[in-house]
Amino acid sequence: DAGVTQSPTHLIKTRGQQVTLRCSPKSGHDTVSWYQQALGQGPQFIFQYYEEEERQRGNFPDRFSGHQFPNYSSELNVNALLLGDSALYLCASSLTQGSYEQYFGPGTRLTVT
Amino acid sequence: AQRVTQPEKLLSVFKGAPVELKCNYSYSGSPELFWYVQYSRQRLQLLLRHISRESIKGFTADLNKGETSFHLKKPFAQEEDSAMYYCALSDSWGKLQFGAGTQVVVTP
Repeated sequence: DAGVTQSPTHLIKTRGQQVTLRCSPKSGHDTVSWYQQALGQGPQFIFQYYEEEERQRGNFPDRFSGHQFPNYSSELNVNALLLGDSALYLCASSLTQGSYEQYFGPGTRLTVT
Repeated sequence: AQRVTQPEKLLSVFKGAPVELKCNYSYSGSPELFWYVQYSRQRLQLLLRHISRESIKGFTADLNKGETSFHLKKPFAQEEDSAMYYCALSDSWGKLQFGAGTQVVVTP
């Protein structure tokens, strides 16, 4: 089991563009959470998906949206990119919603120029 | 509102010396607290959680509800303990609230 995988590893976009990040959860996990980690800060919760629905959302604008597929993989979409969206985006999976053991992926480094 | 505070950005200790990373929290319910660690070029991983009350890699952490603290301790630091440490609090749905992190540097 490769654990949680994310793609791509790095991404450079221009302000105003749209981006899609992808995550495959650890085998057997059905819940996926997304976090944004700005430089020098701890990860900030964006949202969580369970049973293909967004179950919880952090304090992020509607420009941030997501999706979960029947195989539990997930996408994070960000529209109208701002310079401040530059960060490391982490995906975490867990066995079920409410489970406290979350496994993190290596992250996608997004740079907005 | 839930909040996690790690007052030290950087902690520099000598090998063999004790190390303590401070973490304070605010949460209206019954907290579930964790310490995550990120070694250089590795992904974020769970170090320990308060409900298991176990020692991992020599680290322990005690939840003090009166002081709303969850400090991480190790009696004798090793060079391989150099890493970024994050204290985190989980709500009942598994949403993690992280502190800003403490960079630990262990020098020989």
